[in-house]
Amino acid sequence: DAKTTQPTSMDCAEGRAANLPCNHSTISGNEYVYWYRQIHSQGPQYIIHGLKNNETNEMASLIITEDRKSSTLILPHATLRDTAVYYCIVRVGGSYNNNDMRFGAGTRLTVKP
Amino acid sequence: NAGVTQTPKFRILKIGQSMTLQCTQDMNHNYMYWYRQDPGMGLKLIYYSVGAGITDKGEVPNGYNVSRSTTEDFPLRLELAAPSQTSVYFCASSYPTDTEAFFGQGTRLTVV
Repeated sequence: DAKTTQPTSMDCAEGRAANLPCNHSTISGNEYVYWYRQIHSQGPQYIIHGLKNNETNEMASLIITEDRKSSTLILPHATLRDTAVYYCIVRVGGSYNNNDMRFGAGTRLTVKP
Repeated sequence: NAGVTQTPKFRILKIGQSMTLQCTQDMNHNYMYWYRQDPGMGLKLIYYSVGAGITDKGEVPNGYNVSRSTTEDFPLRLELAAPSQTSVYFCASSYPTDTEAFFGQGTRLTVV
């Protein structure tokens, strides 16, 4: 089973920030938090990842709590094209034989005009 | 750059038939994964591989087999297809370090 829990769905107004939460209370010290999104039935697309520090790239920001048990993905100015299912996963970094990558159900974000 | 390529894109199988879903990547990634996605659901891990010659079961391996004879290719074999295997199948690959995974565009399989 997935190691994360996310709300089933969220709405956001176009142009506003979208804040997507994720709980990963059993995360291990060597596990990273990754976010992907899936638009329609396309293959998932990588957004961002982090270990313990907050991260920002051209797509989004990732805020990880100090105890690393939860995180928030922030899309600063959501557009209609950001409507998608967003997946939060945890994954070990480095070469381990048990390095699988499991997805949960994700959060369906709908950006409304 | 081709990235992760899956073939075929669509396929209809009859119950009891077998087929191989092909996945190849040109990024020299060690790790490769197979997922299935049923309508309205998230991705479920079927099998994964951390390198040539090494494979391991994921969450839903029953009814499937895999092999990894080269770094580039990770085929998924369905034996005795069943209607429950109707799904969209995604292949992914990544380096073993803390980097992103790349996904193919999927194979939509219908078993009738």
